[in-house]
Amino acid sequence: DQQVKQNSPSLSVQEGRISILNCDYTNSMFDYFLWYKKYPAEGPTFLISISSIKDKNEDGRFTVFLNKSAKHLSLHIVPSQPGDSAVYFCAASAANSGAGSYQLTFGKGTKLSVIP
Amino acid sequence: DAMVIQNPRYQVTQFGKPVTLSCSQTLNHNVMYWYQQKSSQAPKLLFHYYDKDFNNEADTPDNFQSRRPNTSFCFLDIRSPGLGDAAMYLCATSRDPRDRLNEQFFGPGTRLTVL
Repeated sequence: DQQVKQNSPSLSVQEGRISILNCDYTNSMFDYFLWYKKYPAEGPTFLISISSIKDKNEDGRFTVFLNKSAKHLSLHIVPSQPGDSAVYFCAASAANSGAGSYQLTFGKGTKLSVIP
Repeated sequence: DAMVIQNPRYQVTQFGKPVTLSCSQTLNHNVMYWYQQKSSQAPKLLFHYYDKDFNNEADTPDNFQSRRPNTSFCFLDIRSPGLGDAAMYLCATSRDPRDRLNEQFFGPGTRLTVL
């Protein structure tokens, strides 16, 4: 049973426009959310995170929004650039999960293509 | 550059023939993880080491084992690979799993093919 869902396998956006990647979760114990970015032939790299005590976190062109009541988060990229073309994974962790450590539960990923 | 290295990048094995995947890190992180990612699926945590302490996920099959002989190296052993074990295997590290962010650093992965 998937606890972190990314329902859009792929997304195409024109360069300069906004990219919105969505993520839903079912486990109400999740209280920390992260986005990872993956280029072909490379491992995922951390992009941005948000704690459940916030509803927005911004880092340059990247903003993550969290709607706890809807169990939904989204990653906004503005403006989108061709170099942003990658697979984006949503991940979540819960306090006190597993022996006092914070393990990540990943979604399946969304492949973003930014068209020049 | 500090990094996570996985060897080999591609591994082909035969059904039932034991195989070992390797991961090394120069980050001097305390924690090393192994994930399995099947095509179009989410990476799934198999187990992790916090220093020398081994932590197995409840649903990780017994066919999968791991060794961490020192801080830098961690191995994934698949004792009798089945066709369903064909996947990308990702190794990751983190500094401290008790850190709330617990940012993980991933290697490029080893793609395992089982014939």
